[in-house]
Amino acid sequence: KNEVEQSPQNLTAQEGEFITINCSYSVGISALHWLQQHPGGGIVSLFMLSSGKKKHGRLIATINIQEKHSSLHITASHPRDSAVYICAVYRNQFYFGTGTSLTVIP
Amino acid sequence: DTAVSQTPKYLVTQMGNDKSIKCEQNLGHDTMYWYKQDSKKFLKIMFSYNNKELIINETVPNRFSPKSPDKAHLNLHINSLELGDSAVYFCASSQWPDQGNNEQFFGPGTRLTVL
Repeated sequence: KNEVEQSPQNLTAQEGEFITINCSYSVGISALHWLQQHPGGGIVSLFMLSSGKKKHGRLIATINIQEKHSSLHITASHPRDSAVYICAVYRNQFYFGTGTSLTVIP
Repeated sequence: DTAVSQTPKYLVTQMGNDKSIKCEQNLGHDTMYWYKQDSKKFLKIMFSYNNKELIINETVPNRFSPKSPDKAHLNLHINSLELGDSAVYFCASSQWPDQGNNEQFFGPGTRLTVL
């Protein structure tokens, strides 16, 4: 069993919809990262969280340490948001979720 | 200027060969990583390295070895390539993780195909 589980695995949304991607983990961690992998393959870091909530543009990330759960929200989704979103947790090393493939249709 | 660069971008080779992938970062970071992404897009850490410590994921075969000539470079050497080594390999760098609170910067990836 993977230490980090994401849901859903695949997600298709209409442009403008509010999107939520979930991440649950089974180990105690000191930080959680959300990454975005573009269709071309490049990976960029979106957020680092150890508590609470962070916002960057239309993206919001939250974490509940007690419940071992984090969510990534995208407001007013756009086709350019289409990508794989990966949750990663840090406990002496990084452990990655299996990713959520998001497709936003115009 | 590219922050983390990898060469080559694509590598096609025969089973049994030995190959290397190079990684360079110009961010002044002290920690570098190698990750393997399989066909299902699952990322798994292979190595993390700074000038003090090499941490190896115990599941990585000893055919894989990281070599760091200096702080800005971490190359990946693979001996006796096998079909199952086909994957995309990503290099990344950050300041020392220190509880995981430092952003990682990823290279563009190297797609390795073993025939």
